[in-house]
Amino acid sequence: DSGVTQTPKHLITATGQRVTLRCSPRSGDLSVYWYQQSLDQGLQFLIQYYNGEERAKGNILERFSAQQFPDLHSELNLSSLELGDSALYFCASSVVAEPTDTQYFGPGTRLTVL
Amino acid sequence: TQLLEQSPQFLSIQEGENLTVYCNSSSVFSSLQWYRQEPGEGPVLLVTVVTGGEVKKLKRLTFQFGDARKDSSLHITAAQPGDTGLYLCAGGRGGADGLTFGKGTHLIIQP
Repeated sequence: DSGVTQTPKHLITATGQRVTLRCSPRSGDLSVYWYQQSLDQGLQFLIQYYNGEERAKGNILERFSAQQFPDLHSELNLSSLELGDSALYFCASSVVAEPTDTQYFGPGTRLTVL
Repeated sequence: TQLLEQSPQFLSIQEGENLTVYCNSSSVFSSLQWYRQEPGEGPVLLVTVVTGGEVKKLKRLTFQFGDARKDSSLHITAAQPGDTGLYLCAGGRGGADGLTFGKGTHLIIQP
């Protein structure tokens, strides 16, 4: 158990819909990262928040957005869903935001778009 | 463009054998991390290497960071069925950024 929690564990929805994925970082961690894992692309970095502020952006689509709240939990919002958005979405947290920091990954949310 | 290339993509060997998996890039990274992921779970960090030429050992696992900090290897001695999993390398850069992951090596150790 990494200490990072993600809900829901599974999500099945239809094309065109909007969903919200939730992540609670480890106690004391200020930085939250979101990743997408698909069979063909592997793990891709989407976005990072540090202490409530957006810190870095990766391969995140404009249809996707995220935020980190004052209690440091984070939400990833996916809208106008397409079949290709089906993937595992992982949240990770670290104490600060250095590249050598250990990132602790949650168990993931499996999104299926039908 | 995949910045980190892992090889082999799949590897199936017998218990007791040795193996090496590779992680190569044309880019320089400030750190290189190795993760292991089991089905239905998130990646779990095995090791972080930060210095060119650095070698770290974790029981039967030996990790090496290339002198130029562009590549890394993971060597497993006397592999056991419990080593089965997806091994991922990930590079970190200076400043704010997420990790760049390779696509992984699927390792199966047969009893």
